[in-house]
Amino acid sequence: QLVLTQSPSASASLGASVKLTCTLSSGHSNYAIAWHQHQPEKGPRYLMKVNSNGFQMKGDGIPERFSGSSSGAERYLTISGLQSDDEGDYYCQTWGTGIVVFGGGTKLTVL
Amino acid sequence: QVQLVESGGGLVKPGGSLRLSCAASGFTFSNYYMSWIRQAPGKALEWVSYIGRGGGTKHYADSVRGRFTISRDNAALYLQMNSLRVEDTAVYYCAGYSGYDPYDAFDIWGRGTMVTVSS
Repeated sequence: QLVLTQSPSASASLGASVKLTCTLSSGHSNYAIAWHQHQPEKGPRYLMKVNSNGFQMKGDGIPERFSGSSSGAERYLTISGLQSDDEGDYYCQTWGTGIVVFGGGTKLTVL
Repeated sequence: QVQLVESGGGLVKPGGSLRLSCAASGFTFSNYYMSWIRQAPGKALEWVSYIGRGGGTKHYADSVRGRFTISRDNAALYLQMNSLRVEDTAVYYCAGYSGYDPYDAFDIWGRGTMVTVSS
């Protein structure tokens, strides 16, 4: 079964860096995933797609301080130079034929 | 301006029906594979349904199969929701992508419309 696992919460200080993790279920370590940012009262925003080789394809206008990487079944989103506006929920998404799966989301707090 | 705008949400009683719309503008809608995604209060995003570019391929989450129907025309996406349950209460988003592969990352999202199912 295709499942994505994310930590429920993360926090880091203003100006620091944070690395969010999305873990693919057993047998699916070669899947690509996408990262989306979701802030209150807004629609989700596509950040980037990350494949198993760590190759990332960013959405339009996504700052360079957002970056993606991979290791085995884990996919990462690193945000450097944290700003208060980065607070929100971050979801990973993956897909297969006839199915789309989201992780449980990570709530990021900027201290 | 590239955007998706959902409408049609509201308050409905259990067992009732509602039809959501998602209007596309600023891009060639027919090039996009589209989905509906929802978020119940305090919960994570949940994929609901998918439709291919031509409208012939459709997929549904187990939780809505047999009750919801996805469709599209040249400029909009729709979701007909029948036999609504309290657990269908959520903000409903439309989202899509225009890549070569029929299944890929959503790269465009709407702002959502709220559906409340309550007696």
